[in-house]
Amino acid sequence: SQQGEEDPQALSIQEGENATMNCSYKTSINNLQWYRQNSGRGLVHLILIRSNEREKHSGRLRVTLDTSKKSSSLLITASRAADTASYFCATHNFNKFYFGSGTKLNVKP
Amino acid sequence: EPEVTQTPSHQVTQMGQEVILRCVPISNHLYFYWYRQILGQKVEFLVSFYNNEISEKSEIFDDQFSVERPDGSNFTLKIRSTKLEDSAMYFCASSGRGVITEAFFGQGTRLTVV
Repeated sequence: SQQGEEDPQALSIQEGENATMNCSYKTSINNLQWYRQNSGRGLVHLILIRSNEREKHSGRLRVTLDTSKKSSSLLITASRAADTASYFCATHNFNKFYFGSGTKLNVKP
Repeated sequence: EPEVTQTPSHQVTQMGQEVILRCVPISNHLYFYWYRQILGQKVEFLVSFYNNEISEKSEIFDDQFSVERPDGSNFTLKIRSTKLEDSAMYFCASSGRGVITEAFFGQGTRLTVV
């Protein structure tokens, strides 16, 4: 299976702290994307990193990609209570996107 | 901002009934997808659709499932005879041309089979 797998499965931090989530995958990819899902809601695209990129920033988000280790990390800096959600990595290869199990982030006010 | 829209947001159906879930992808996108997420579980790939035909499908997408793009704007998922285990959130997504492309997802249809 090509599916990404995130760790940790759950993360609880205080508001203002940084949150780091990791994703590992198994085969070659075109790109890797991170999505956010609030409980019972749709998937919101956060950031895309191409297979030839190593790091990308978007606001408080920082994504890294290590294709040699087949892994990616998502860092949310200065977290807020509103960041509480599940975060998924998705690897894209041709006709489909594979999702991992997600990391459930809880940011305590 | 363009978005993928799905209707209905929630559908309750009796076991054995047929359901059709509807999606309007982003207008200039070329690839369309259906995913499902059973409560508390992974987002699972069902099927991808390109150039008016299925380009790839998963093991979940058996003969009970079919997809259609009837009129150039809608993209539908039909479940012929629903089972209890079909209860899930179903997400439609679309993406543009090329390999460097993000997928935009709809808000999902929550299907409850009773």
